[in-house]
Amino acid sequence: QKEVEQNSGPLSVPEGAIASLNCTYSDRVSQSFFWYRQYSGKSPELIMSIYSNGDKEDGRFTAQLNKASQYVSLLIRDSQPSDSATYLCAVSDSGYALNFGKGTSLLVTP
Amino acid sequence: ETGVTQSPTHLIKTRGQQVTLRCSSQSGHNTVSWYQQALGQGPQFIFQYYREEENGRGNFPPRFSGLQFPNYSSELNVNALELDDSALYLCASSTGTTQGNTQYFGPGTRLTVL
Repeated sequence: QKEVEQNSGPLSVPEGAIASLNCTYSDRVSQSFFWYRQYSGKSPELIMSIYSNGDKEDGRFTAQLNKASQYVSLLIRDSQPSDSATYLCAVSDSGYALNFGKGTSLLVTP
Repeated sequence: ETGVTQSPTHLIKTRGQQVTLRCSSQSGHNTVSWYQQALGQGPQFIFQYYREEENGRGNFPPRFSGLQFPNYSSELNVNALELDDSALYLCASSTGTTQGNTQYFGPGTRLTVL
């Protein structure tokens, strides 16, 4: 069973702070890693993809990957109330199926 | 907006009935994947279609079946509906099946089975 684990939260951070979301995965052959944001009642929206060890930055978002530790994270700088959503970590080894965690609920308080 | 469309938006069926959900992929995308998302859970992979052929399948019974058409749109069919089939059904399109291909989701179809 290929597991993707996320803390369900809720993770509460004040506006302007850094939110740190974490994800671990069990399948060592995983090659592709994605973070999706999902607002309540909506579909997942892609935020970041990362394939190599290290950091990848896109605006206020930074994805971090450590394949040796089987760990991927998402940092959100200058968090805004509009960032309040569920963040889904997805992992793929095969190029077709995305294996999702259950998601972490983030609440940014004004 | 991703350019992936799904219909219908909502659907109510009774146990034992059959349902067909539809998806149009984003322009330039030839691959469609279907996922089931139960309340409070992450999406679960059902299957993927690439150039009209099933390319991979998750742990779902045969009563879940699909099609992909020459224009790369796709259908998900579910027979003999069960109460546990109530979920958000998501379609995602991508440019192919090689590793790293990013999947973009449509708005989903909310299915309720009574």
